[in-house]
Amino acid sequence: DGGITQSPKYLFRKEGQNVTLSCEQNLNHDAMYWYRQDPGQGLRLIYYSQIVNDFQKGDIAEGYSVSREKKESFPLTVTSAQKNPTAFYLCASGQTPARNQPQHFGDGTRLSIL
Amino acid sequence: QQPVQSPQAVILREGEDAVINCSSSKALYSVHWYRQKHGEAPVFLMILLKGGEQKGHEKISASFNEKKQQSSLYLTASQLSYSGTYFCGTESVNGGGSNYKLTFGKGTLLTVNP
Repeated sequence: DGGITQSPKYLFRKEGQNVTLSCEQNLNHDAMYWYRQDPGQGLRLIYYSQIVNDFQKGDIAEGYSVSREKKESFPLTVTSAQKNPTAFYLCASGQTPARNQPQHFGDGTRLSIL
Repeated sequence: QQPVQSPQAVILREGEDAVINCSSSKALYSVHWYRQKHGEAPVFLMILLKGGEQKGHEKISASFNEKKQQSSLYLTASQLSYSGTYFCGTESVNGGGSNYKLTFGKGTLLTVNP
């Protein structure tokens, strides 16, 4: 079945450590997105990519980095510069243009500080 | 800037109706609606593309007033399965074009009781 796979489901980060969240899709979608979800804040866009080898900062990109080397994959690295990384992270994909295409979400990764 | 959703929360008895509103300060290309159950991924409900056009999904429908930059989600004869948090995502006009990203509101928590 087609879909989006995020791994791991739970992740713990030590002080000063970088961690990478995986996102893979087999929907043949051009666009991929990373969102951060905190209680009461909705979904906030971290980074997005409309095509391989290209990506743009979203509204809260500081402390995060991404790569898009393959159409199917869009990993997110939470760097040590992100001082408050505890959140639920959601990856999504969709066709472009966004206006008439739904976004499909993965099941999320919950990141906590050790 | 995030669109503003109202109300923040609403409690219904099964069979009652509800309206959730989404308001943006920017001109919009489209409005998307999603529902998220606790701990799960958001699920796509519908997209609104034209001013005043209503789209339907079972007993859930929506409208989009392009001039007022507002959208409303109508849930009629609510069922227990409608419980969850509803998010609107807006695609805004940016410098004459679109940047193909959605900005989500903070969500409306809907609880349907027997």
